[in-house]
Amino acid sequence: NAGVTQTPKFQVLKTGQSMTLQCAQDMNHEYMSWYRQDPGMGLRLIHYSVGAGITDQGEVPNGYNVSRSTTEDFPLRLLSAAPSQTSVYFCASSYSMASGLSYEQYFGPGTRLTVT
Amino acid sequence: RKEVEQDPGPFNVPEGATVAFNCTYSNSASQSFFWYRQDCRKEPKLLMSVYSSGNEDGRFTAQLNRASQYISLLIRDSKLSDSATYLCVVYSGGGADGLTFGKGTHLIIQP
Repeated sequence: NAGVTQTPKFQVLKTGQSMTLQCAQDMNHEYMSWYRQDPGMGLRLIHYSVGAGITDQGEVPNGYNVSRSTTEDFPLRLLSAAPSQTSVYFCASSYSMASGLSYEQYFGPGTRLTVT
Repeated sequence: RKEVEQDPGPFNVPEGATVAFNCTYSNSASQSFFWYRQDCRKEPKLLMSVYSSGNEDGRFTAQLNRASQYISLLIRDSKLSDSATYLCVVYSGGGADGLTFGKGTHLIIQP
């Protein structure tokens, strides 16, 4: 299994540009999430999905859109990039959140985004 | 707001020593607790879950104190490869948005 994959690894955008961060998992996990990690801050949840066709907002959703058309893929779209969105973005998946042992989050390698 | 607090460190520890750090959480209804390890410029990975009775995995021991609302991680006979940031994670129910990540404790093992 490849686990959770993310592309691109690095990206530089100009303010106002849009782009999509790709995330895919091959573990047949129900739950998928997007986090951002900034220096001095914990991982913060942007959006998450409990299954294909179902998404919901996390703690910091503004400026981002998601969709989940398949179990495997969960892309994150930046609508109009701003310098405040400079961060490291991690996609994660988990089998479910229904019982304690299934809470383990498997993270992708991350996308380092800089907005100038 | 759910809070998970950790001493950011860094903890500078000689190789072979024992090191311990704590994490406090504010939500008394928290259900599950975890330690994740994050190497520099890498993704977090689950180190161990923390059970009510405490649990051990090789050189690592995790403890939960519900009364005082903290969890701890003890590393014995520390290795250079233990150098990393250790994230405390607390689950309070409700799905993916019920996970709260601490900011991490940075550990440096020195030869």
